[in-house]
Amino acid sequence: GAGVSQSPRYKVAKRGQDVALRCDPISGHVSLFWYQQALGQGPEFLTYFQNEAQLDKSGLPSDRFFAERPEGSVSTLKIQRTQQEDSAVYLCASSWGTYQETQYFGPGTRLLVL
Amino acid sequence: KNEVEQSPQNLTAQEGEFITINCSYSVGISALHWLQQHPGGGIVSLFMLSSGKKKHGRLIATINIQEKHSSLHITASHPRDSAVYICAVSNNDMRFGAGTRLTVKP
Repeated sequence: GAGVSQSPRYKVAKRGQDVALRCDPISGHVSLFWYQQALGQGPEFLTYFQNEAQLDKSGLPSDRFFAERPEGSVSTLKIQRTQQEDSAVYLCASSWGTYQETQYFGPGTRLLVL
Repeated sequence: KNEVEQSPQNLTAQEGEFITINCSYSVGISALHWLQQHPGGGIVSLFMLSSGKKKHGRLIATINIQEKHSSLHITASHPRDSAVYICAVSNNDMRFGAGTRLTVKP
């Protein structure tokens, strides 16, 4: 079966440009997580969905970051007016349950803001 | 101080060596996860444990809840084990260590 997929895999954006990153979770997975991973660091939590409900968005670094999962499957992370400090790998993961379940990670989207 | 600390940051070993990576945490948890990240970003979940010990092939993970410490062991290491190993803890959220970069030389 298909795992978690993300697109695009790589994105180069000019500072100030808006970007949209897509995550297709494993079919049937209730929970979806977004993480940001800076070079040489571990991932950091951004936001968490249970079905279509965004239950936790405490990790979003600013109001330029917005995530949605309108039908409880595919999710989009949008970054408005990108800044150089937004350059990172954005990882999506999905699971059957919450944090106590194994998470399955996508390959990530590597974003470079020039 | 990070809530999840891993050591060492970098580790180089010869093929066949026994490897230990350590993880200490300072928050209450319901589970601890060991993840493997290969170049290119893909992350694979190796173990999720809340007590005791788990084994899968050449990999062994242990956790001591009282001491808030976990170890990941690799027996008979192989160059294909070269990757970044990340410890993460979960409760109402998920917090990650910075990772241990393992290089196994043939």
